[in-house]
Amino acid sequence: DAGITQSPRHKVTETGTPVTLRCHQTENHRYMYWYRQDPGHGLRLIHYSYGVKDTDKGEVSDGYSVSRSKTEDFLLTLESATSSQTSVYFCAISEMSGSLSDTQYFGPGTRLTVL
Amino acid sequence: KNQVEQSPQSLIILEGKNCTLQCNYTVSPFSNLRWYKQDTGRGPVSLTIMTFSENTKSNGRYTATLDADTKQSSLHITASQLSDSASYICVVSRSYNTDKLIFGTGTRLQVFP
Repeated sequence: DAGITQSPRHKVTETGTPVTLRCHQTENHRYMYWYRQDPGHGLRLIHYSYGVKDTDKGEVSDGYSVSRSKTEDFLLTLESATSSQTSVYFCAISEMSGSLSDTQYFGPGTRLTVL
Repeated sequence: KNQVEQSPQSLIILEGKNCTLQCNYTVSPFSNLRWYKQDTGRGPVSLTIMTFSENTKSNGRYTATLDADTKQSSLHITASQLSDSASYICVVSRSYNTDKLIFGTGTRLQVFP
């Protein structure tokens, strides 16, 4: 998984509780991404980062926030989890954006269940 | 609407056989098309990336084709192995920004001995 770890790998939580997922990379890549994967949907981008403290929204950002205080760490926070946020969350990294040969490398995923 | 559609949704083949997976897209403007392999419980792994000027790209037993005129791509797997059992995801980039990737829902391939 290209030097990417996600924690926790599995989590069960209750509606209304805050949840933070962590992505850690050892590749020193500039770009980091959070996606969610749900049955019947392709991977959908939640937020991404193009550098320390530089983040932007993706396609499905409502209800999520992110932070990146160090190159190697990208945190995804659900301020008040809802059942619709039950999903598998993937972190990805890439060395550059905009290059035709750019490749995103994905982490192993975090399975989140909100009861 | 920018969409990526894959067919079939699922496929079962016997070990050693060949198969072809299809991807049709309506994404515009088009930058490049990628195929990823996703094993169960794992993150996707890149197989190929093709720009509009590339018709074919191979990665071992995997060969991807692209017809930018008809907006179709295929992934051909030769001499399938049990380890090919996975989901194969077609991804189209709308522009030169990787935040503009449109993911298909994937084809679930199962290879049986």
